[in-house]
Amino acid sequence: GQQVMQIPQYQHVQEGEDFTTYCNSSTTLSNIQWYKQRPGGHPVFLIQLVKSGEVKKQKRLTFQFGEAKKNSSLHITATQTTDVGTYFCAGKSGGSNYKLTFGKGTLLTVNP
Amino acid sequence: DTGVSQDPRHKITKRGQNVTFRCDPISEHNRLYWYRQTLGQGPEFLTYFQNEAQLEKSRLLSNRFSAERPKGSFSTLEIQRTEQGDSAMYLCASSLVAATNEKLFFGSGTQLSVL
Repeated sequence: GQQVMQIPQYQHVQEGEDFTTYCNSSTTLSNIQWYKQRPGGHPVFLIQLVKSGEVKKQKRLTFQFGEAKKNSSLHITATQTTDVGTYFCAGKSGGSNYKLTFGKGTLLTVNP
Repeated sequence: DTGVSQDPRHKITKRGQNVTFRCDPISEHNRLYWYRQTLGQGPEFLTYFQNEAQLEKSRLLSNRFSAERPKGSFSTLEIQRTEQGDSAMYLCASSLVAATNEKLFFGSGTQLSVL
């Protein structure tokens, strides 16, 4: 079945440093979504990417979808303590219009 | 509060007991999902409903698990004869499907501990 892998599993940064998490799928994706889960909280939708090579920005966050639609990345510029949490990518394969497969996530901690 | 609500927030039970969780989705949403999440893992798909119809159930889900969504509104997830391996956070999510853009709204989850 479809597998979604994320690296790194953990990332600790000093406030102001940049952060990147990478997501790779074993199958071609129809779209990919990113979610953020704060400690003790539930996943919250951040963004969806659909087109090959698509790049979207939300303030300090930049999301990319690979040309082959099998990988994606999330980059945070100048991290802040409010960025702390686990970032999950979740993909839908071409054969499924409902099932999101989540990666294991990257836990980001930020030292003030 | 117009978000997804789940009840109870926490459930402690003894092995072998049955438990039932409830999820109230966002009212206009037509899809409802159940996911399970353990520490250090991403949410794992269990099952989903389109309105009142249960359209898919994960192969990983044993026959001790059953879910319903009567009248296409709230949903319940029942686990019979609980095992220690069932301990996890059970997340409900709902969505409004529109073309290719579907985003999931998650509830706060029910944390199950099986002793």
